[in-house]
Amino acid sequence: AQSVTQLGSHVSVSEGALVLLRCNYSSSVPPYLFWYVQYPNQGLQLLLKYTSAATLVKGINGFEAEFKKSETSFHLTKPSAHMSDAAEYFCAVSRGGYNKLIFGAGTRLAVHP
Amino acid sequence: DADVTQTPRNRITKTGKRIMLECSQTKGHDRMYWYRQDPGLGLRLIYYSFDVKDINKGEISDGYSVSRQAQAKFSLSLESAIPNQTALYFCATSDSRTGGYTEAFFGQGTRLTVV
Repeated sequence: AQSVTQLGSHVSVSEGALVLLRCNYSSSVPPYLFWYVQYPNQGLQLLLKYTSAATLVKGINGFEAEFKKSETSFHLTKPSAHMSDAAEYFCAVSRGGYNKLIFGAGTRLAVHP
Repeated sequence: DADVTQTPRNRITKTGKRIMLECSQTKGHDRMYWYRQDPGLGLRLIYYSFDVKDINKGEISDGYSVSRQAQAKFSLSLESAIPNQTALYFCATSDSRTGGYTEAFFGQGTRLTVV
């Protein structure tokens, strides 16, 4: 069975600091992996996705993620945090022919001045 | 206008009442989903549908039912609401025609409170 683990339910960084949000997956087959962001009172918006084309995936708003099969990880990074990055971030793996998403528990990112 | 529209955005209802959450989309996608979000649990799949004639249970379907009235409309019903169904509910769509595993597009959510 596929599952997703996000380490750290809350992460706090200073503005301008590196953002690192961790995601580990378990999957018996090559996975399709996604990062979504949820701003307050809004739905989920896709940040980036991995579909086996390239291990380093660039997304919107300066975010990127690297797929590491040996570590079963898909961590999300951004070199320099901005106040507008404060949100909740979800890692997800796609399962089955219906493209059902299995989500991690989420990581709430706080950015302070 | 939003591509995936959920109504209502907020709802407070009493225990035992029947309630329907509605979702409509203008993206022309064939697949539609209902998810529930609870703090610390992420999003969990309630039901999903490939087309009008195809309805499938997700991991937490007990206490819920759905109706796919048209390709663009997918409603979620709570036949007899209970307090632990208080949550944020999301409708999502995806397109099987693009091949592979494409992303899902989400509505803005319905915050449901059962008192």
